[in-house]
Amino acid sequence: EVQLVESGGGLVQPGGSLRLSCAASGFTFSSYDMHWVRQATGKGLEWVSAIGTAGDTYYPGSVKGRFTISRENAKNSLYLQMNSLRAGDTAVYYCAREGTYCSGGSCYGWFDPWGQGTLVTVSS
Amino acid sequence: DIQMTQSPSSLSASVGDRVTITCRASQSISSYLNWYQQKPGKAPKLLIYAASSLQSGVPSRFSGSGSGTDFTLTISSLQPEDFATYYCQQSYTAFGFGGGTKVEIK
Repeated sequence: EVQLVESGGGLVQPGGSLRLSCAASGFTFSSYDMHWVRQATGKGLEWVSAIGTAGDTYYPGSVKGRFTISRENAKNSLYLQMNSLRAGDTAVYYCAREGTYCSGGSCYGWFDPWGQGTLVTVSS
Repeated sequence: DIQMTQSPSSLSASVGDRVTITCRASQSISSYLNWYQQKPGKAPKLLIYAASSLQSGVPSRFSGSGSGTDFTLTISSLQPEDFATYYCQQSYTAFGFGGGTKVEIK
């Protein structure tokens, strides 16, 4: 069974740091691009970061320079190092595997599966 | 950045109703559009990828259509387990999401 399990969430003060982990099982982790997505309580989904199979990384402007995504293929693990945390970073953080389908020269990507999420609360 | 706008933001419907949710992109994204279902306290679940391809295991009452800037998710006959929030996502550049559509019981 393909499974993703996040850990590492908790309460942190503004300006603090936190490292999230995502343990993958049931598939060849090193062969997939991976992502972090967050969701504030009662709000929508926000893509937070991506890492390719070659270790290339991508971020939206809202977290660039503060968050760092990484992976350790030998441990089937994905990480998100979050620094300079703000109240606005409070959310459930999900890791997700990117699926890909290529047809007619175009390759389409999507997220499946997702982990169960881990809650990060930034508050004094 | 590509902006994704869903409408309506919420709707009330009855079991058996045909439900349509719309997603509009701020620029053309070809068919790089996915749909997810999320129930309270749970992670999102992929329903449709590449605008119209049904994910394995998803009931055939779900369908997606559109290309370019305008997309639609249709539930042909709403079932009790379909009451949830639905999100569109573009994968043309990065992976931005729409704001969501909450489908509630009428």
